[in-house]
Amino acid sequence: KQEVTQIPAALSVPEGENLVLNCSFTDSAIYNLQWFRQDPGKGLTSLLLIQSSQREQTSGRLNASLDKSSGRSTLYIAASQPGDSATYLCAVSLHQTGANNLFFGTGTRLTVIP
Amino acid sequence: GAVVSQHPSRVICKSGTSVKIECRSLDFQATTMFWYRQFPKKSLMLMATSNEGSKATYEQGVEKDKFLINHASLTLSTLTVTSAHPEDSSFYICSARDRKTGETQYFGPGTRLLVL
Repeated sequence: KQEVTQIPAALSVPEGENLVLNCSFTDSAIYNLQWFRQDPGKGLTSLLLIQSSQREQTSGRLNASLDKSSGRSTLYIAASQPGDSATYLCAVSLHQTGANNLFFGTGTRLTVIP
Repeated sequence: GAVVSQHPSRVICKSGTSVKIECRSLDFQATTMFWYRQFPKKSLMLMATSNEGSKATYEQGVEKDKFLINHASLTLSTLTVTSAHPEDSSFYICSARDRKTGETQYFGPGTRLLVL
């Protein structure tokens, strides 16, 4: 069974710092990996999607990398802002089941201090 | 962009009553919709996969008779929590896959259910 772990569970940084969030998964036979943002009491916003054949994706100040063989992904946030404060979730879908089922990590709660 | 809505956003009900939550894809057709449940400070857990015009597929440990799912059209799926109890209190999130683009799941804003 696929297990997704995110470290750290919570992170506080001063505004302007660069930071890295980590995600690891136990079954490397993934179809793709996504990073989501969730604001308190809200739904999910997809930030980046990396296909299993890709190594990284970039969107603005966000860069996500994928090392499928080692079962790891990182989300790099440059020049953090208070508006980046949220919970960040990574999720993988397995090749065997196609893209139907997403396995989520427990999230990293980020606080950017002004 | 693809938008998924949920209604209601928040509901409080008495124990023993049934609650229906709607999930709609507003600007695309969704052959498949997913229902997730999220406990405080926990991750999302898939409850069931809903396919238009057919029965839902439930994950292990999810009671079919407790959580009734209906996917009557390409833009609407409903989750009914029957005879709700306090332990059913949770945050329920749906997602939908665009029939045309296939893989990406678009998530709704979630419904907060509190059973007294």
